[in-house]
Amino acid sequence: AQKITQTQPGMFVQEKEAVTLDCTYDTSDPSYGLFWYKQPSSGEMIFLIYQGSYDQQNATEGRYSLNFQKARKSANLVISASQLGDSAMYFCAMREGSRVGGSYIPTFGRGTSLIVHP
Amino acid sequence: KAGVTQTPRYLIKTRGQQVTLSCSPISGHRSVSWYQQTPGQGLQFLFEYFSETQRNKGNFPGRFSGRQFSNSRSEMNVSTLELGDSALYLCASSLGGGGSRIEQYFGPGTRLTVT
Repeated sequence: AQKITQTQPGMFVQEKEAVTLDCTYDTSDPSYGLFWYKQPSSGEMIFLIYQGSYDQQNATEGRYSLNFQKARKSANLVISASQLGDSAMYFCAMREGSRVGGSYIPTFGRGTSLIVHP
Repeated sequence: KAGVTQTPRYLIKTRGQQVTLSCSPISGHRSVSWYQQTPGQGLQFLFEYFSETQRNKGNFPGRFSGRQFSNSRSEMNVSTLELGDSALYLCASSLGGGGSRIEQYFGPGTRLTVT
């Protein structure tokens, strides 16, 4: 079963507008982390933002914020004031981590392609 | 601080050949993970090395192998290449502790084409 679901294969947004990229996840582990990465056409995955399952507040990093709704198992990425350079693939990922000292394999969604129009 | 570097950036190989890809992690990072990215399968985990030991392995055939050196640099090897091995191979480094908050920093990838 899919652990990370990104239902939007492609999204379009006008420059300077906000956009929300959807991500839902599935886990029974009470301790987990959620990540968003950006992958421009160059191929390199760029870490954007992290949200821990026990974090009380939604994570924010500059123009990026994560709308974390734990009961709905949703971790949407919000990009405010879109820029042309935001055009890229965006991946949501989850890492379960209740085993102390252990290491769990992170699971990635299939990605959402964001195109920012001038 | 220098980022993750991968060499080579591009490779063209023929079916049946073998290939070795290299990854140098961020200084101080002890964990290196390898991923295969294809349009059809998305991003798939290959394996993770921590302190020269394989800590996790994904669901790939034995043709895919890796190792890590004492300086944390890692190599992955694919033997008897198949057309389906054509992909972007990404390496990611992290500090390597346990728990869920393990931020991985990715390299630019090696694009392998098998003809």
